[in-house]
Amino acid sequence: RKEVEQDPGPFNVPEGATVAFNCTYSNSASQSFFWYRQDCRKEPKLLMSVYSSGNEDGRFTAQLNRASQYISLLIRDSKLSDSATYLCVVNQGSSNTGKLIFGQGTTLQVKP
Amino acid sequence: ETGVTQTPRHLVMGMTNKKSLKCEQHLGHNAMYWYKQSAKKPLELMFVYNFKEQTENNSVPSRFSPECPNSSHLFLHLHTLQPEDSALYLCASSQPMGLAGGGSTDTQYFGPGTRLTVL
Repeated sequence: RKEVEQDPGPFNVPEGATVAFNCTYSNSASQSFFWYRQDCRKEPKLLMSVYSSGNEDGRFTAQLNRASQYISLLIRDSKLSDSATYLCVVNQGSSNTGKLIFGQGTTLQVKP
Repeated sequence: ETGVTQTPRHLVMGMTNKKSLKCEQHLGHNAMYWYKQSAKKPLELMFVYNFKEQTENNSVPSRFSPECPNSSHLFLHLHTLQPEDSALYLCASSQPMGLAGGGSTDTQYFGPGTRLTVL
C-alpha cells in the first residue's frame, strides 16, 4: 500500500463546478497534513494546511478524518486558473523529523 | 518569488561528468531539503539538513553527495550518474523541527528546481 494515495485523475470540470479530491494515508501516527498545488513544470506551493476541525480558505475547504486516515479538498466555483496538480502531503509519523510524504497528485483541468 | 533559488535551472550531463546543484534560501530558515521528482512519480525526499547537520539520508546512492556549508546554502554534488537519475531536483526549506511545536512539521517552501538530464 502506498503511504499516501490519491486518484491521479485527470478531473475535467467546467468553470463554476465544484470538485472534490480525496487522499488516504497509511501511517496512523502522522500529525501534519497539507495540500500543495503544483503547476506544470513548476515547483509545489502550499495551498493550505489541514486541521482536525476542518478549515476553509475562500473557495477551498479541507477536511481531515483521522479515524479513516482520509483527507479531502473541496474546490467551489472552479476557475480556469485552478487547473493544476494537487498534492496531498503527510508528515511521516509522530516524531518531528521534517519528513513529508507526497502523494502522486491529482490533476485538475478546468474548461471554459 | 525569490525565497528559495536554485541554479542551474536546466542541466544536461554525461554519465562521467561531475556537476553540482546549488540552492539558496532567503527566508531565515534552518532546515533544508533535497527532493527528486521523476515523471509520473511522487516527490521523493532525498536528504534533510537541520542547522547544517544532515539528519536524514533516505537511502540515496552515493553518487549523490549533499553539502550544507551554512543554513542558507545547500549543494548536491553529482558524479557518475545514470540515465535513470534524470529528473527534477527540488530544494526546499522550513523552520527547523521543534520550533513548530506539538510534533507538527512546518511548511516547506520549494525552489523552482533543476531539471537534470543524464545522457
